[in-house]
Amino acid sequence: QKEVEQNSGPLSVPEGAIASLNCTYSDRGSQSFFWYRQYSGKSPELIMFIYSNGDKEDGRFTAQLNKASQYVSLLIRDSQPSDSATYLCAVYNSGYALNFGKGTSLLVTP
Amino acid sequence: KAGVTQTPRYLIKTRGQQVTLSCSPISGHRSVSWYQQTPGQGLQFLFEYFSETQRNKGNFPGRFSGRQFSNSRSEMNVSTLELGDSALYLCASSLGTLAGAYNEQFFGPGTRLTVL
Repeated sequence: QKEVEQNSGPLSVPEGAIASLNCTYSDRGSQSFFWYRQYSGKSPELIMFIYSNGDKEDGRFTAQLNKASQYVSLLIRDSQPSDSATYLCAVYNSGYALNFGKGTSLLVTP
Repeated sequence: KAGVTQTPRYLIKTRGQQVTLSCSPISGHRSVSWYQQTPGQGLQFLFEYFSETQRNKGNFPGRFSGRQFSNSRSEMNVSTLELGDSALYLCASSLGTLAGAYNEQFFGPGTRLTVL
């Protein structure tokens, strides 16, 4: 069974701080990695994707990928209360199916 | 560009009944994937369709089936409903034409199914 693991949290950070969310995966053949944000009662929203080792920045978000260590992380700079949500890590193992972690709940406190 | 739409948004059924859910992808997207989301299991892949062909299927019983039409709209059907089928059913669309690993998937609002 190919696994995607995330700490369920909740991860609590003060407003303005950096939130760091981590994800590990078991399949070394995984090629692409996605971060989704899901607000309570809503559907997942794609916020970042990364295919190559290293960092990818988009606004306040930075995705980091280390294929040798099989982990991918998401950094949220200057965290805002509106960032409070569940963050889902998803990995393409093969074919056309995304394999999701169970998500990390983030709480940004004013 | 309009996003992914799903109908109905909410559905209440009783055990043993069957249900059909519908998904219209983003214009120009030819791939539709279906997922089941429950608090205990998280998001689990059901199946994916591209150009009316099922290309991948998850580990769900045969009661779960789907199809895709020539306009890329997709339906999924669950027969003989069980209590455990209560979940949020999400569809996601993507271009589907890139090598499998590079298809960004965009989710619809979901259908909340409650089985009594």
